[in-house]
Amino acid sequence: DAKTTQPPSMDCAEGRAANLPCNHSTISGNEYVYWYRQIHSQGPQYIIHGLKNNETNEMASLIITEDRKSSTLILPHATLRDTAVYYCIVSTGNQFYFGTGTSLTVIP
Amino acid sequence: GAVVSQHPSWVICKSGTSVKIECRSLDFQATTMFWYRQFPKQSLMLMATSNEGSKATYEQGVEKDKFLINHASLTLSTLTVTSAHPEDSSFYICSARSPQVSRGTEAFFGQGTRLTVV
Repeated sequence: DAKTTQPPSMDCAEGRAANLPCNHSTISGNEYVYWYRQIHSQGPQYIIHGLKNNETNEMASLIITEDRKSSTLILPHATLRDTAVYYCIVSTGNQFYFGTGTSLTVIP
Repeated sequence: GAVVSQHPSWVICKSGTSVKIECRSLDFQATTMFWYRQFPKQSLMLMATSNEGSKATYEQGVEKDKFLINHASLTLSTLTVTSAHPEDSSFYICSARSPQVSRGTEAFFGQGTRLTVV
């Protein structure tokens, strides 16, 4: 079962940073925080994952709180193509259980 | 990232017939693959975990005799929906774990298969 809580929807202006929060207060020590996104009628796309430290790649940054009970995905300069449902998942890397995600709409 | 491909992308079948969906990892060997189902406006629901050379592990509530999974090679897993009924119409998605990541393990997803049973 999903162990994460995310807001159901968010809007972001094009060109601005999109900050998507996720709560995972029951995360275990060996579980990573993963972020995926799903554009309508496509398979989920991997964005980023991390264990304790903040992570950055070409798509996004992941900020994990020190107690690991929450995290934030940051899309630094949102574009219209970033409109999607974003899923935060905690997993050891075996099964991935999806929660309801956050539907992000980037507004022109 | 690694590439996972599903075939077909969409299929329409008659009620009572069986449909096979293929999932291939194109550029890596996947010892474990996963099958999901997604109904409209809902999240992905994990159906089963498929391990190469062994029986699949099904999630609670998923009928193993209805959703047959075969993972005969390190690059191919198949899901067969047997005796399909209209309520089986859904978006079926597979994923595979890449063994190449040293920290945690990423899972890469196929593009999905839209099944419509008429």
